[in-house]
Amino acid sequence: KNQVEQSPQSLIILEGKNCTLQCNYTVSPFSNLRWYKQDTGRGPVSLTIMTFSENTKSNGRYTATLDADTKQSSLHITASQLSDSASYICVVSDRGSTLGRLYFGRGTQLTVWP
Amino acid sequence: EADIYQTPRYLVIGTGKKITLECSQTMGHDKMYWYQQDPGMELHLIHYSYGVNSTEKGDLSSESTVSRIRTEHFPLTLESARPSHTSQYLCASSDGGGDSSGKGEQFFGPGTRLTVL
Repeated sequence: KNQVEQSPQSLIILEGKNCTLQCNYTVSPFSNLRWYKQDTGRGPVSLTIMTFSENTKSNGRYTATLDADTKQSSLHITASQLSDSASYICVVSDRGSTLGRLYFGRGTQLTVWP
Repeated sequence: EADIYQTPRYLVIGTGKKITLECSQTMGHDKMYWYQQDPGMELHLIHYSYGVNSTEKGDLSSESTVSRIRTEHFPLTLESARPSHTSQYLCASSDGGGDSSGKGEQFFGPGTRLTVL
């Protein structure tokens, strides 16, 4: 069964600190992995996308890593800001469908305190 | 500016009412999707469309229906709303499939928060 598991479920950090969010998946055949940021009451917005051959991708203070062998990914946030408070969702796409089927994790709810 | 829109953003309605959630995109994407999301839970695909006059049911069983008469428009209808339909509904669109090149990113609308009393 294709699944995406994220940890921790929730995380509270102080402004300016770094944090790392984890994602494990069993989706096969693997196509790509995306990290989305979802603000409360809004739709998800893509942060990074990585294909099988990529093991790191940065977008400003966000750095995602991918280990396709162990089927693990992480999202590292550097020098957190209050605006980083949101749910971060790991999304994996399989290669076997023309639809571009996405498998969603439940997200990590990040809260940044001043 | 290319974007994806959903209306209404919030809707509170009584049991038994018929409702239509609107979704429009200006990006010219062929593929469109409807997801249902409960608090703290993952998104579940309920409907999708490959293009005009194409609609399919997703992974999660839903009593809603959809139509795709125009490329840019993908409305979702509930004939008789019930409290179990209370949820957030997210519309998305993409321009390609999930191949290894990384194409086919889905762009999401802001969502409609539906509450059925």
